[in-house]
Order: sequence, then C-alpha cells, then structure tokens
Amino acid sequence: ETGVTQTPRHLVMGMTNKKSLKCEQHLGHNAMYWYKQSAKKPLELMFVYNFKEQTENNSVPSRFSPECPNSSHLFLHLHTLQPEDSALYLCASSQASGTGSSPLHFGNGTRLTVT
Amino acid sequence: GQNIDQPTEMTATEGAIVQINCTYQTSGFNGLFWYQQHAGEAPTFLSYNVLDGLEEKGRFSSFLSRSKGYSYLLLKELQMKDSASYLCAVKDSNYQLIWGAGTKLIIKP
Repeated sequence: ETGVTQTPRHLVMGMTNKKSLKCEQHLGHNAMYWYKQSAKKPLELMFVYNFKEQTENNSVPSRFSPECPNSSHLFLHLHTLQPEDSALYLCASSQASGTGSSPLHFGNGTRLTVT
Repeated sequence: GQNIDQPTEMTATEGAIVQINCTYQTSGFNGLFWYQQHAGEAPTFLSYNVLDGLEEKGRFSSFLSRSKGYSYLLLKELQMKDSASYLCAVKDSNYQLIWGAGTKLIIKP
C-alpha cells in the first residue's frame, strides 16, 4: 500500500479513443503531480496541482488534459494520442509543492500502450 | 542547461557493497533525493541530503558534496531484493525537481 492509488494499472488504446487515468491519495497531501516515465529517460513532469490549483504545465500537448477536483483526486484525460505517448504514467503527491525536503509519494503507475 | 548524470547499469554480488554515483549541474540547489524503483512498481523515497556529508539509514547511506556537484548512494550487505533502479533527483533554485535517468542495479548470487 503506497498511499497513492492509480487506476487502471494497464491501458491499451487506439489513437482515436478517449480514456482517463485516475489517481487518489490518502496521505493528506496538498500537491499532486503527473509524470511520464519512458525507458532509460528521466522522469518528465507533466502537471502540478498545489491546493487544487494548477501551477505547472510543462509544454504538454493538449491531447493530455488534467483535472483536479479536490486535493485527494487527480485525473489525466487522454484523447487522440500518438504511439510515442506509450509510457508509464506516474501520479505522485507531496506536502505543498515548492518546499525543500518534502519527498514525493508515487503510485504504481498506469502502463499505457497506444496502438 | 540542467543535467543529472548517473550510470545506466551496475552489477554487484549478494553480500557485497556498491556505490552508485550521481553528478549534477543545476541552476541552484535545494536538496538531493534518492529513490528506489522496483520493476513495475512505484518509486519509493530513500534519502534526502541538503548539507554536505554522509547520511546513514541502516544498510543505505547517501553522501553529498555541494562544491563538487556530487552525491553517491552506498548500499551495504547487498540482498537480492536490492535489485532495482535507483533514481537521483535535485531540487533547483525554483524548487523544481531535476531527475537523472536512473541506475539499474543487478544483484547476482
């Protein structure tokens, strides 16, 4: 039990599909993150929400759309993805972002394959 | 640009000691983190260093030299379960986390 739960664990979708990834944290944290992890590459920060407000959007294509209805839940809506979007998508939470020593707590990720 | 370098892969023997190095060039420094990630699982927090020196936590220790832009993670009395990827990450002057690509550690009996 990591305290951060992601669903689904695996997702295969066609380029014309629409799907959503879900993340829930039970740690009482105020910041939530979406990261993309590709093989042999550094983690890529996609979005950050701090107290439900989006504070980072690192030039992510509009085919990825985040939603944060409250401090415990985070969604990533996907539509018209490309094969190069296939990767592991990790959700994380922490105490308010920007603080120095607060570590990230990650979920187990969603393994996304775009066909 | 900002950069974190760590070896791609290392191999060590069960019961031995291994040191995983991490060098960084970032705009400012607000701490360095090490995470462990087993295949198919979440990265988990191992250590945080913000001052120079060695931090020991059981079989794992982490060292930092800010003047050299250098850290290492030291794993003692290696066990098979230590086979994982080890991720180094630095917080820059804007408190943004800059990540290395990770070091895959393979433990052999």
